[in-house]
Amino acid sequence: GAVVSQHPSRVICKSGTSVKIECRSLDFQATTMFWYRQFPKQSLMLMATSNEGSKATYEQGVEKDKFLINHASLTLSTLTVTSAHPEDSSFYICSARDPGSYNEQFFGPGTRLTVL
Amino acid sequence: GENVEQHPSTLSVQEGDSAVIKCTYSDSASNYFPWYKQELGKGPQLIIDIRSNVGEKKDQRIAVTLNKTAKHFSLHITETQPEDSAVYFCAASIGAAGNKLTFGGGTRVLVKP
Repeated sequence: GAVVSQHPSRVICKSGTSVKIECRSLDFQATTMFWYRQFPKQSLMLMATSNEGSKATYEQGVEKDKFLINHASLTLSTLTVTSAHPEDSSFYICSARDPGSYNEQFFGPGTRLTVL
Repeated sequence: GENVEQHPSTLSVQEGDSAVIKCTYSDSASNYFPWYKQELGKGPQLIIDIRSNVGEKKDQRIAVTLNKTAKHFSLHITETQPEDSAVYFCAASIGAAGNKLTFGGGTRVLVKP
């Protein structure tokens, strides 16, 4: 199947700093990517839909100024957590839609963010 | 919006036994139902999916059934093995497979040797 990577896999930062997470589709072009957040022992919650060349669509309750999404190319979407606080600590997972595989979504390995 | 409920939240089975996980959904317009397996510290991996024009689908030891009238679908794992131990999520979406997914709460499966 198609491969989606995320970088970094783990990041620890101080409160008030910004953190950028990259999501890449390695062997296909993805016009649409999705960003999820997962707290320990909980389910995945969709944060936003990232569309190449246009603004992201955020889910209700997700602050767009807090979680900046940029989908500048067909293989890369980035999520920037601005002015991070301890409550932003979570597992962030992206997925990418592969039009060559019946639009199936392939998930990245996730990024563990810890804000001190 | 769509709401997906999943039961049970935890499931412990003996190796070789079967495991069944059930999900219900609220939006009758949903027509794509994937199941994912997530191991600790990793992203979810698709294990099987079903579309609303099919009632049942099987892939080796894994099968999924769908009842559109009742708005529920189930995952069946037969002859469980220790490597089946993981968290399993059901999901639902409206339209194509690549549309927005709503996930169930997850089921932590433990297969005891």
